[in-house]
Amino acid sequence: EVQLVESGGGLVQPGGSLRLSCAASGFTFSSYSMNWVRQAPGKGLEWVSYISSSSGTIYYADSVKGRFTISRDNAKNSLYLQMNSLRAEDTAVYYCASRLTMDVWGQGTTVTVSS
Amino acid sequence: DAVMTQSPLSLPVTLGQPASISCRSSQSLVYSDGNTYLNWFQKRPGQSPRRLIYKVSNRDSGVPDRFSGSGSGTDFTLKISRVEAEDVGVYYCMQGTHWPHTFGQGTKLEIK
Repeated sequence: EVQLVESGGGLVQPGGSLRLSCAASGFTFSSYSMNWVRQAPGKGLEWVSYISSSSGTIYYADSVKGRFTISRDNAKNSLYLQMNSLRAEDTAVYYCASRLTMDVWGQGTTVTVSS
Repeated sequence: DAVMTQSPLSLPVTLGQPASISCRSSQSLVYSDGNTYLNWFQKRPGQSPRRLIYKVSNRDSGVPDRFSGSGSGTDFTLKISRVEAEDVGVYYCMQGTHWPHTFGQGTKLEIK
């Protein structure tokens, strides 16, 4: 069964850092590109970042560029999102989703940025 | 950026009746490879998003055939032939042709 499980969310103060993880199973992770997508409370879905299967191509939304870093470890079947200089507006449920077309999603992990 | 505009934003529907959601892009979504990367997602309350339709009209495995997608270029439609109670939720279109990938605002489907 294809499965994505996010972890690492929590409460952090403005200006702080957090590292999200996404553990993949049930498919050949190293062959798949991956995305991070978020949903702020009461808001719609927002694409955050994309990484190709080999990490050779990476994109970010303007709202997180320069603050967030996407990475992956194909040997560990894991995707990461390093989030620095966090702001209140980064408060959201963060999902990882597989492939360019986002065919499979994890259950999400909640990030709350508040003092 | 390609701006995705959905309508309506709220869609009250009687059980067993059809429903239709429009999604319009500010740019053509035809990619250089000839494909059109327009997807539809369903987000039920308390659940993760689920992809229903990819590349305009291809239904994902396990998606009931009452869901269908159509359109081309900049105008796309998701149709539900007969709404069931389990269809309650928010529906999003998303374009994967241009970077950044962008979602529509979402259409909230509720039972009348």
